[in-house]
Amino acid sequence: GQQLNQSPQSMFIQEGEDVSMNCTSSSIFNTWLWYKQDPGEGPVLLIALYKAGELTSNGRLTAQFGITRKDSFLNISASIPSDVGIYFCAGLLNAGNNRKLIWGLGTSLAVNP
Amino acid sequence: DAGITQSPRHKVTETGTPVTLRCHQTENHRYMYWYRQDPGHGLRLIHYSYGVKDTDKGEVSDGYSVSRSKTEDFLLTLESATSSQTSVYFCAISPVGQPQHFGDGTRLSIL
Repeated sequence: GQQLNQSPQSMFIQEGEDVSMNCTSSSIFNTWLWYKQDPGEGPVLLIALYKAGELTSNGRLTAQFGITRKDSFLNISASIPSDVGIYFCAGLLNAGNNRKLIWGLGTSLAVNP
Repeated sequence: DAGITQSPRHKVTETGTPVTLRCHQTENHRYMYWYRQDPGHGLRLIHYSYGVKDTDKGEVSDGYSVSRSKTEDFLLTLESATSSQTSVYFCAISPVGQPQHFGDGTRLSIL
């Protein structure tokens, strides 16, 4: 099936550092979503982007919807230990009753206190 | 947890047995989804529903069936479980035009 190219696959950083991850696609999306998944839990929505060029923040998290509509990035500033987890991007193809999300394989983030 | 309850949370069963997983929502949302999550594959859509009795296949639907007889419940059935269906299964819901929200998952082991 179709998947997004999400990078990096994993990151190991020191507490306080900034983090950047991105997703690219060969397809155009009209919505980009970023989720975080903690061990043993389901993905939780962090940020939703609906417009090309849109830049949206949620606390220390900032995400942007690429101008070409084929990419998006997520930045985390001043990382803390609770940022540990797997971050997923997802693009939405929305046509009628077809609301399937196309997913990246995730970025695993580890933070050293 | 966005008003989503998955049951059971854990299940161990044997190859060839039928298994039904339940997703219950209290949000009255139109769309419901079933995913499986496996290492190296991320989240893959099995089936989804866009209303009562309205369902469609996802990318990995073989070996799975679903039913939605009322808005709040979406059932996933493995008619004859195989070891390749060992996975973590997630249900998600969404209102029209809004992002999906996920349950906490069901960990299914088929021996």
